[in-house]
Order: sequence, then C-alpha cells, then structure tokens
Amino acid sequence: AQSVAQPEDQVNVAEGNPLTVKCTYSVSGNPYLFWYVQYPNRGLQFLLKYITGDNLVKGSYGFEAEFNKSQTSFHLKKPSALVSDSALYFCAVRTGTGRRALTFGSGTRLQVQP
Amino acid sequence: DVKVTQSSRYLVKRTGEKVFLECVQDMDHENMFWYRQDPGLGLRLIYFSYDVKMKEKGDIPEGYSVSREKKERFSLILESASTNQTSMYLCASRGTSGYSYEQYFGPGTRLTVT
Repeated sequence: AQSVAQPEDQVNVAEGNPLTVKCTYSVSGNPYLFWYVQYPNRGLQFLLKYITGDNLVKGSYGFEAEFNKSQTSFHLKKPSALVSDSALYFCAVRTGTGRRALTFGSGTRLQVQP
Repeated sequence: DVKVTQSSRYLVKRTGEKVFLECVQDMDHENMFWYRQDPGLGLRLIYFSYDVKMKEKGDIPEGYSVSREKKERFSLILESASTNQTSMYLCASRGTSGYSYEQYFGPGTRLTVT
C-alpha cells in the first residue's frame, strides 16, 4: 500500500519570506512524486514532479521540491512567498508499476500574509 | 493544453435520486479517474478506467458506478444519492506515452444531496 502524509494542516508565512510545505511518503518500490495546487473553487493544477534524476526539481511559479530518499520526504519550497501563493497544496505519490492512480495527502493550506 | 471538462460546477440533488456526473478530456488519454475531495481527507479515488469499457475500483467505490463507452468520456453514477455523498467530485486524465505521468484535473463538481 502507498500513502502520503502532510503533517501540517496550515502553514502561515509572511510575504517575501521563504516557505516550506512538508510531505512524507510510503511506497514499495521507486516513488513518483507530485505536487498540486488548488485555488478556491478550482480543480487541481500540476506544479512539479519527481520521477528520476536530480533530487531537486523545479516547477511552476518559482516552486521547487527536494526528493530525499533516506527520509522519504518531498518537501515543497519557494525562496520568497507571494500573497498570490495562498492556496491548498497537495502532495501525491505512485509507483511505476502496480496502481495507476495517485495517492494524495490530506492537503496543506498555505496562507501568505502581506 | 490538456482540457478536462466536467458537466456541472454545482449540483443539488435529493436523497434517492440517480445522479450522473460527466467528464470529457480532449487529449486522447487512455487513463481517466474519479476522485472525491473532502476537507481533511484530501482526494480519495472512487474509480478509474484505463481503456474504453475497462474500469477498476478505487479506495471508496461503494455507492458509485462508472461508465466509459468512448475514450474521451468517463461518467460517474450515483445509483441512489445519499447525504454522505455530498462532496466535491474531481475528474482527471493521464496519457501513457512519454514521461508525462502527471494527471490533469477538471474544475470539479460540487454536489449537494439534501
């Protein structure tokens, strides 16, 4: 079975400060990891993914994430937060074989204060 | 750009009604998915389909069925709606070629069962 944990329901950060949204995962085999963002009353929008290769992956809107195999983590980061980054963020995982669908975390609400 | 559309943004139905949620994608994707999103629970997989007329149960299939008669269309059916099926329903699709791996989501249907 595969699972994802997002330990923080909400993260608050001041505009211009760096932000981190945490994600840990559990799978059998090599993980494919994803981050999605959801703005109010909208569907999920793809931010970035790790499949293989460099542990640091860069995505849309200045976001990046670091894959850490020993800690089974895939934290989302941004050097300087914007008020417009305020949204709900989901981490998701699957493997290359077996289950074709993603398993999602419970989501973390990011609030960036001006 | 991939486009996934859902037939309704908001829907209100009565207990016991049969409800159809429609999803259409325009990228010739083989895989399509239905999730429900509830606060604090993230996204949970209801059903997915990996080809026309092919389907597999997800994590919470009880009370739901699906239909995929054409590649671009994937329907979710609530045979007899109940109040505990009040939720946000999200459809997604994904191709199998190349290294895309990510799922593309529709805008969601917020269903209220009274």
